Formats: sequence, structure tokens, C-alpha cells
Amino acid sequence: KAGVTQTPRYLIKTRGQQVTLSCSPISGHRSVSWYQQTPGQGLQFLFEYFSETQRNKGNFPGRFSGRQFSNSRSEMNVSTLELGDSALYLCASSGWDREGGNTIYFGEGSWLTVV
Amino acid sequence: AQKVTQAQTEISVVEKEDVTLDCVYETRDTTYYLFWYKQPPSGELVFLIRRNSFDEQNEISGRYSWNFQKSTSSFNFTITASQVVDSAVYFCALFGGNQFYFGTGTSLTVIP
Repeated sequence: KAGVTQTPRYLIKTRGQQVTLSCSPISGHRSVSWYQQTPGQGLQFLFEYFSETQRNKGNFPGRFSGRQFSNSRSEMNVSTLELGDSALYLCASSGWDREGGNTIYFGEGSWLTVV
Repeated sequence: AQKVTQAQTEISVVEKEDVTLDCVYETRDTTYYLFWYKQPPSGELVFLIRRNSFDEQNEISGRYSWNFQKSTSSFNFTITASQVVDSAVYFCALFGGNQFYFGTGTSLTVIP
């Protein structure tokens, strides 16, 4: 089955602008999470959505927001971009499988550069 | 608290050497899952393995093997006869309390 799809893959924005990233989860998965990864840093958890509701939230400023639609697709938005927002943004979807386990699968990521 | 620790930040080995990546976790749950992911330079995290807390059997998949020990709260990953294509960042993760927790990753460089 199709994996997690993220668009766009690469983008360049100017300080002060805003950006919207999109994520389509694996079919049947209702949970979508977003992570930020900066050079040399680990995965920083942004937020998780489940059935259109934000279920968990990381420690990021209010400029970072997200939403999830009824078809489980998700978007994240960063307003008033700063140079430090340059990063790889990873979307992941997860769901329970027939074995009773839960696995998280990642998309290829969106590389954001703020200039 | 739920936490995953990967104490090794960077490891370099010469091709064909064996290498073990360490992962130590903390959880208050009795049922949980442990994972390893590989992140090549392209960026995508690739799922490698999942183990549940009730299954302590070691697993081998080709040159990869995993050692899960609840007594020491560890889930270590060994690559046998390493190859240049194994160069990547490897993340260990825990699913517990309805949330995923990731370690900080270990960057592995395999030198030809």
C-alpha cells in the first residue's frame, strides 16, 4: 500500500513569510504526527493529530500549528518564519495492525530553507 | 517517565567490521513496543523492526540482529560485516502511553 506522502519536498521561503506543508497518511491510519529535524539534532516532536483532534503537542511556539481533515490528511503551518525554522519536517502516520501492534511510518520529509 | 537513550552519538567502523548500536529505554507501561529506524542522507526514516514487550526473543534479519533484554531495559542493534550502505543515522524508539518516544540517534559511518 502507498506510504506516507509529503508535499512539497523542497521549498525556500523568506523570513516573515508563512508556509504550509501537507501530509497524506497511509490508508487506514488515523494518527498523524509531525517532527522537526535540524542539522545535527534529533527528532523534535511538534504535534500529533488523531481523528481531527490534536492529541499531543510538543514544546514549540504558537507560530507552529496544524490540523487534520476528515480523510486523515494533515497540514502544518508555520507563520512568521525565522531563519531557525530551516529544517527537515517529517510527517508520520501510525495505526494499529492485525497483530495488535502500533507502528509509526514516516514520509520522505519536506526540506524547508528560510532565507 | 518514558524515555529512550542512545548514548552513542557517532560511531565509525571499517567496512566488514561488526558494530552494535545501544538503546536503553525507560517506561512505566507493562505493554509497550520498541523500534529501530534508519535515516539515510536522503532524510526519510525507514522502519527496520518492531518488538513488543512480551517477546524477548532475539531477531536476526540478514546482517542485522536485535537483542532485547527487559532485565536491563535495552534493545541493542548489531550490524554484522558492515557495508558502506549501512552509513546512516539510526534511531531507537518506544511506543508507550499512546505516544512514540525517540532517542537522539546514532550516526554510523562505515569507512571503505
